[in-house]
Amino acid sequence: SQTIHQWPATLVQPVGSPLSLECTVEGTSNPNLYWYRQAAGRGLQLLFYSVGIGQISSEVPQNLSASRPQDRQFILSSKKLLLSDSGFYLCAWSGRGTQYFGPGTRLLVL
Amino acid sequence: GIQVEQSPPDLILQEGANSTLRCNFSDSVNNLQWFHQNPWGQLINLFYIPSGTKQNGRLSATTVATERYSLLYISSSQTTDSGVYFCAVTTTSGTYKYIFGTGTRLKVLA
Repeated sequence: SQTIHQWPATLVQPVGSPLSLECTVEGTSNPNLYWYRQAAGRGLQLLFYSVGIGQISSEVPQNLSASRPQDRQFILSSKKLLLSDSGFYLCAWSGRGTQYFGPGTRLLVL
Repeated sequence: GIQVEQSPPDLILQEGANSTLRCNFSDSVNNLQWFHQNPWGQLINLFYIPSGTKQNGRLSATTVATERYSLLYISSSQTTDSGVYFCAVTTTSGTYKYIFGTGTRLKVLA
C-alpha cells in the first residue's frame, strides 16, 4: 500500500532563517506531487505541483521554491522565511484521479 | 478559473442527527473528491466521485456533473465526525491541479 511521509511535524523558525520541508511517498511510482499551505481556519492554497522529476509548476511566486530530486521525493524550501510563511504545510500525491495527503508540518515563524 | 463553493460554511449538530453538505462548481470537472480534515489537521480521503453515487457506512455522496454540484450525506452523526469537510475538483483544462472548495466546518455535540 502507498504511504506518504512528511517531516518535521512541527517547526519554529526565526524570521530570515532558511526552510527545508521534505515529503516522500512509498508504494507507487511516478506520482503527481503537491505542496499546499493552510492558514489557521482557512482553506487549502496550492503552492506547487510536479508531474515528474525536475518538473515543477508554481502557483505562488516569491518566497518559496520546490524541487523534486527523485521520483518520490518533494522538497519545499525558502532562503529567508517571512512572518507570513507561518501555516500548516501539506504534501500530497495523486494517482488515478485520487489525491492523498501526508500528516502535515506546522510552521511558526517568529 | 473554476469556482468551488461549499455550503453551509458552518454546521452544528446533535449526535445522531443527519446532515447534507453541498459543493457547487462553476465549470465542468473530470475529478471530484470529498475530504474530512480532523481536528488534528489530517486530511482523510472520503470519496472519489466525479459522477454518480457512492456509500461508505454512514457516509454517502452524490455528484450530478451535468448540474455542477455534489452532495455529501452524513447519517447518525457522531462526535468523531467533527472537523472540516472539503470538496476538491480538477478540470479538463487543468487536469493535475486540484481546486479546493471553501469548506464546511461541522461540530457534532454529544
